[in-house]
Amino acid sequence: TQLLEQSPQFLSIQEGENLTVYCNSSSVFSSLQWYRQEPGEGPVLLVTVVTGGEVKKLKRLTFQFGDARKDSSLHITAAQPGDTGLYLCAGARAGGTSYGKLTFGQGTILTVHP
Amino acid sequence: DAGVIQSPRHEVTEMGQEVTLRCKPISGHNSLFWYRQTMMRGLELLIYFNNNVPIDDSGMPEDRFSAKMPNASFSTLKIQPSEPRDSAVYFCASSPIAGTLLKETQYFGPGTRLLVL
Repeated sequence: TQLLEQSPQFLSIQEGENLTVYCNSSSVFSSLQWYRQEPGEGPVLLVTVVTGGEVKKLKRLTFQFGDARKDSSLHITAAQPGDTGLYLCAGARAGGTSYGKLTFGQGTILTVHP
Repeated sequence: DAGVIQSPRHEVTEMGQEVTLRCKPISGHNSLFWYRQTMMRGLELLIYFNNNVPIDDSGMPEDRFSAKMPNASFSTLKIQPSEPRDSAVYFCASSPIAGTLLKETQYFGPGTRLLVL
């Protein structure tokens, strides 16, 4: 059972288009992170959100944490070829043996065509 | 400043052989994580250490897998004997401890691409 469901799994768009990637769960997370991974490299952290309803912006990227802290979204405005990569959401849960562990979604492979 | 260093970057071995993957975390980081990434299962946490002590190894697939962290600057992940289904990219990540792990950034190494024939 995948705790974090990402959608869509694949996204192929033209430069200049907008897109949204979703990360959903039936579990509550204390914090949620978004990573971007390029071929042959490890994931790199983009943002961490910790408060329900929180919105963070990173240039053309907007991240939102759901009010109930069960879901998150990543919106990219005017996508560029340099945005191409694998986007991963990861949730951390507090308490017990899960403390501090990150659970990753399956990822969304984004391709932006010039 | 060097990031997380992993070696080897690529490993091709035959079924039944022992495989040892190595990781050097970022200096000063107190937490170290081993992950495995495959197309089918995505990125899975295998084990993590705090201050060189294994905290949670529930993600280790089976007894063929073992991990050690003899000091703050070195960790190994060993597979013995290796099987074709172990083929994957193995990542090591490190993180500083500052109050809570929930907000900390994990810094990933470049990974070791393992192919077991």
